[in-house]
Amino acid sequence: SQELEQSPQSLIVQEGKNLTINCTSSKTLYGLYWYKQKYGEGLIFLMMLQKGGEEKSHEKITAKLDEKKQQSSLHITASQPSHAGIYLCGADKGSGGYNKLIFGAGTRLAVHP
Amino acid sequence: GAVVSQHPSRVICKSGTSVKIECRSLDFQATTMFWYRQFPKQSLMLMATSNEGSKATYEQGVEKDKFLINHASLTLSTLTVTSAHPEDSSFYICSARDPTSDHYEQYFGPGTRLTVT
Repeated sequence: SQELEQSPQSLIVQEGKNLTINCTSSKTLYGLYWYKQKYGEGLIFLMMLQKGGEEKSHEKITAKLDEKKQQSSLHITASQPSHAGIYLCGADKGSGGYNKLIFGAGTRLAVHP
Repeated sequence: GAVVSQHPSRVICKSGTSVKIECRSLDFQATTMFWYRQFPKQSLMLMATSNEGSKATYEQGVEKDKFLINHASLTLSTLTVTSAHPEDSSFYICSARDPTSDHYEQYFGPGTRLTVT
């Protein structure tokens, strides 16, 4: 079965620093989702990547999907305390439109002022 | 983006009782919704797929008689935890796909924290 591995498990950075979170799949990804979660709350959709080599940006967050569609990275530029939370990558279990998502274990990010 | 709501946000119940959690898509119709549970400091685990007008599909290891799912309309799915026990205490999150979006983005509700005493 497909598994998603995220690294690092946790990250503490100083405000203003850049950081990268990685998500690696054991199988080819049909769709790769990035979400942010604050403890005890729901998930906020950040971005979705589908095509090999695709890159998307929203404000100071950039996500990329490699050409082989097995690895994605999430990069935050000039981090702020508001970026703190748990970042989860999720993957479609199939190629259709209404498939289930499986999730990585998450990366806990703390940003110190 | 699309909005998914859940009710209640928190619930405390006694062991042996049943609890119903509602999941609503507020500005789109969802033929399919998903139910997840999340234990502290762990990731989301898919429990079941809720299909409007038909039976839910449960993941392996999830007791369908314990976690009853009803998808009565295109905007509402309910999860009922029957005969709840302390080990059922968890954070339950639902999600729904927006069929009008280009890439079938999946939107999540804010979650329901269930505590069974």
